[in-house]
Amino acid sequence: GENVEQHPSTLSVQEGDSAVIKCTYSDSASNYFPWYKQELGKRPQLIIDIRSNVGEKKDQRIAVTLNKTAKHFSLHITETQPEDSAVYFCAPPPSGGYNKLIFGAGTRLAVHP
Amino acid sequence: KAGVTQTPRYLIKTRGQQVTLSCSPISGHRSVSWYQQTPGQGLQFLFEYFSETQRNKGNFPGRFSGRQFSNSRSEMNVSTLELGDSALYLCAVGPGGGDGYTFGSGTRLTVV
Repeated sequence: GENVEQHPSTLSVQEGDSAVIKCTYSDSASNYFPWYKQELGKRPQLIIDIRSNVGEKKDQRIAVTLNKTAKHFSLHITETQPEDSAVYFCAPPPSGGYNKLIFGAGTRLAVHP
Repeated sequence: KAGVTQTPRYLIKTRGQQVTLSCSPISGHRSVSWYQQTPGQGLQFLFEYFSETQRNKGNFPGRFSGRQFSNSRSEMNVSTLELGDSALYLCAVGPGGGDGYTFGSGTRLTVV
């Protein structure tokens, strides 16, 4: 069945440090790998995503890397800033083709000035 | 870009009552999905509607139901409310460009 695991569950860094969050999935046919950011009291928002035909994608300070063989993908945030503090979710949809996101449990990132 | 309006933003109900939440995709996306977010269980998929048909359903009891109208607006209904139904209910539309989903601001339901 579908299983998504996210690590770590909490992450505390100093401003300017890097942060890495890993997501492991079970559906080997998954081909789309998104990361969502949810700030306190707000809606989840897509921040970066990658498709299975690409190994890495960067957008300014954030990047996503994919290892399809090992069935995991990671979110990398460099030069962290206090506004990066939020809960981050991976949500790879299963390969069934329907709009159903299976969310990881989330990683609470705290960036300290 | 798709936008999503959810109403109401906050709701307080008592046990045993029923509640209806609404989700309106601004751009007319035909697919609307619903999620429940709680501190203990995280974000869980409830169901998804496409062109007025339920295509997929999560692992929730039959007290949770939904529907979609021809203008893509969707409603979800929870009957015989329980304390454990207190949660943030989010709807999402998509996929949009690049397969991303857009979430509404959610309805925070408190059952007392």
